[in-house]
Amino acid sequence: ETGVTQTPRHLVMGMTNKKSLKCEQHLGHNAMYWYKQSAKKPLELMFVYSLEERVENNSVPSRFSPECPNSSHLFLHLHTLQPEDSALYLCASSQGLGGADTQYFGPGTRLTVL
Amino acid sequence: GQQVMQIPQYQHVQEGEDFTTYCNSSTTLSNIQWYKQRPGGHPVFLIQLVKSGEVKKQKRLTFQFGEAKKNSSLHITATQTTDVGTYFCAGNAGNMLTFGGGTRLMVKP
Repeated sequence: ETGVTQTPRHLVMGMTNKKSLKCEQHLGHNAMYWYKQSAKKPLELMFVYSLEERVENNSVPSRFSPECPNSSHLFLHLHTLQPEDSALYLCASSQGLGGADTQYFGPGTRLTVL
Repeated sequence: GQQVMQIPQYQHVQEGEDFTTYCNSSTTLSNIQWYKQRPGGHPVFLIQLVKSGEVKKQKRLTFQFGEAKKNSSLHITATQTTDVGTYFCAGNAGNMLTFGGGTRLMVKP
């Protein structure tokens, strides 16, 4: 148990649906991350939040919309996705934003877009 | 931007054989971390290396950080079926971790 939980664990959605992924960390960390993991790009950083402020957005399409209401929760809102967005979406947290901080990953949400 | 490359992408070994994965950065790193992801699981932190030329061991795993702090390696001695998974290095340059593409290890019993 890493202290980072994600829901749902599996999600199937159509291209016109709107859904949200949720991540919660119970570690008292200040930084949270969204990663996309697929066969093409094993660990692709999408968004980084530090103390609820977005500090990194790696040119992610606008159909992915992150939200960080507090330092313990992170959401990824999805709308009008494409089949190529099917992947494992991993949330992670770290004590600080520094590159020397260990990242703790959640179990991921397996997303399938039909 | 910073790039972190890992080779090989895949490795099949017979149980008992050794295994090594290599990580190379386009820039000098402040530190490097290694993670393991079991099949169906999520990445889990293994170790961090900070000093030039540093070598750390965890049982059958040996981690090295290059003298120039631009490369690193993970060596597993006498692999076991429990070693299967994908091993990721993550380099820190500019105070942000960048993950390599990972090496997927498969062990034949």
